[in-house]
Amino acid sequence: GQQVMQIPQYQHVQEGEDFTTYCNSSTTLSNIQWYKQRPGGHPVFLIQLVKSGEVKKQKRLTFQFGEAKKNSSLHITATQTTDVGTYFCAGRTILTGGGNKLTFGTGTQLKVEL
Amino acid sequence: DAGITQSPRHKVTETGTPVTLRCHQTENHRYMYWYRQDPGHGLRLIHYSYGVKDTDKGEVSDGYSVSRSKTEDFLLTLESATSSQTSVYFCAISERDRFATDTQYFGPGTRLTVL
Repeated sequence: GQQVMQIPQYQHVQEGEDFTTYCNSSTTLSNIQWYKQRPGGHPVFLIQLVKSGEVKKQKRLTFQFGEAKKNSSLHITATQTTDVGTYFCAGRTILTGGGNKLTFGTGTQLKVEL
Repeated sequence: DAGITQSPRHKVTETGTPVTLRCHQTENHRYMYWYRQDPGHGLRLIHYSYGVKDTDKGEVSDGYSVSRSKTEDFLLTLESATSSQTSVYFCAISERDRFATDTQYFGPGTRLTVL
């Protein structure tokens, strides 16, 4: 079955430093989604990437989808304490009945120190 | 946040007892999902529903059953709880929007401990 790996598993940074998490799939993805989960919270949708080589930005966050549609990355510029949490990528496939199955990566836990 | 509630939010039970978790939504979304979250595994799909009375298995469905008798409610049942089912359980809903984004909205989670 489809497997999605994420590295690193943990990352501690000083506030103001940059942060990057990488996502790699064993199979080609139709698209990829990114979610953020704050400590003690639930996953919250950030963005979806669909096209090969696509790059999208949300303020200090930059998301990329690889040319082969098997990898993706999330880069945060100048981290802030509000960026603390676990970032998950999720590869999407269509399920029987039309819903979508998300195969989640193992997540990267980001801690930001002052 | 989307209108999704889960009950109970916390539960401690003993091995061998049946447990039912409830997910309730007020968004009228067609698709509903149950995930479990464990350290080192991310979120894994247990079961999903694509309409009333229409359900199917996910990747970790053994030991779990589901039912959806109304659009707004999706129940997850552990017929005979085992310690390996200690986990945080998340319900999610989705509806394909006009951009075909299929965003999944997650409930607050249920922390289940099986002793």
